[in-house]
Amino acid sequence: DAKTTQPNSMESNEEEPVHLPCNHSTISGTDYIHWYRQLPSQGPEYVIHGLTSNVNNRMASLAIAEDRKSSTLILHRATLRDAAVYYCIQADYKLSFGAGTTVTVRA
Amino acid sequence: NAGVTQTPKFRILKIGQSMTLQCTQDMNHNYMYWYRQDPGMGLKLIYYSVGAGITDKGEVPNGYNVSRSTTEDFPLRLELAAPSQTSVYFCASRRQWEKRTDTQYFGPGTRLTVL
Repeated sequence: DAKTTQPNSMESNEEEPVHLPCNHSTISGTDYIHWYRQLPSQGPEYVIHGLTSNVNNRMASLAIAEDRKSSTLILHRATLRDAAVYYCIQADYKLSFGAGTTVTVRA
Repeated sequence: NAGVTQTPKFRILKIGQSMTLQCTQDMNHNYMYWYRQDPGMGLKLIYYSVGAGITDKGEVPNGYNVSRSTTEDFPLRLELAAPSQTSVYFCASRRQWEKRTDTQYFGPGTRLTVL
């Protein structure tokens, strides 16, 4: 079962930032937080992961709370191509997917 | 690299028929996974494998079987198909070298309908 909690949906305007929250209150000290996204009619794809400190890559930024019980995925300038379901996952040898957050981007 | 490939892309089965969903990866990954995704839901793990010859059940294994004779291939067998198995099936692989940080690569999916 998924160990994280995310809002069902979020909306954004194109070229504005999107902040996707995730709660993972039962996380252990060695569990990484992974984010994946699933574009319509495609398999999930990796976005970013982190352990304690904030992480950046070409797709997004990940801000992890100091107590590690929550994190936020930041899409800095949303485009229409970012419309997808975003999954926050507390990763071990397998990934447990919840329902994720459906992100809608308005033109 | 082709990554993770799945065949077929679409299939319609009649109740009681059997079929095998094929999955191949060319990244030399040790871990492979089968998930199913029902409409509007997240992915549920069916079976996984940590290497050739080793498989284990996930959350929803009933009605399915797997085998892993090579590193590259991880077929999923449906015996006696039922309407409840109508779903999209995703295969995935992962290196497992540093399992907590490894990313998982997914195939494009097989859309199965059982009528």
